[in-house]
Amino acid sequence: NAGVTQTPKFRILKIGQSMTLQCTQDMNHNYMYWYRQDPGMGLKLIYYSVGAGITDKGEVPNGYNVSRSTTEDFPLRLELAAPSQTSVYFCASTFGQTTEAFFGQGTRLTVV
Amino acid sequence: AQTVTQSQPEMSVQEAETVTLSCTYDTSESDYYLFWYKQPPSRQMILVIRQEAYKQQNATENRFSVNFQKAAKSFSLKISDSQLGDAAMYFCARLPHTGANSKLTFGKGITLSVRP
Repeated sequence: NAGVTQTPKFRILKIGQSMTLQCTQDMNHNYMYWYRQDPGMGLKLIYYSVGAGITDKGEVPNGYNVSRSTTEDFPLRLELAAPSQTSVYFCASTFGQTTEAFFGQGTRLTVV
Repeated sequence: AQTVTQSQPEMSVQEAETVTLSCTYDTSESDYYLFWYKQPPSRQMILVIRQEAYKQQNATENRFSVNFQKAAKSFSLKISDSQLGDAAMYFCARLPHTGANSKLTFGKGITLSVRP
């Protein structure tokens, strides 16, 4: 079992560029989450999904988009990168509301 | 907003000693799960311990145990016999058990250093 796989691990973007952070899990988890982690600020929820075809905003959704066409995949899209989006991004998944979250290894994104 | 609060940004403990990390939370649900996660410099998020709110008994995992006070909405983590490898950031998190849109919410984290 690979668990939760996030790609890429590192990325540098120029202001205004776009990119997609990929997240795949092979545990048949229905809940998936995207977080960003800024220094000293903990993890803030960007978007989450309770199943294929269903997504909802978290605390800090502005500047991001998501889709959930399959149970396994939950990509995060940045359309017009801004320096404020420089952060470490984590994807996570859970099976319903009864288990702990499993995390990907994170993506360090720098926007210059 | 329902929040998770970790008011101590940093703590330090002597190797082999015991340390307690504090966490309080706000919730309107009666049933939920609480977690402590460890994040070492590798960035990987590692589950340390889990507590189910409907269980009165405090969870224990080897050197890690919690003090869960449901009425006070408090969930502290005790690390006994601290080891150098315990140095990391620790996050408290809450997951409601009811409602289709329940979200996993984290505190800001605490940086634990272990002195040899």
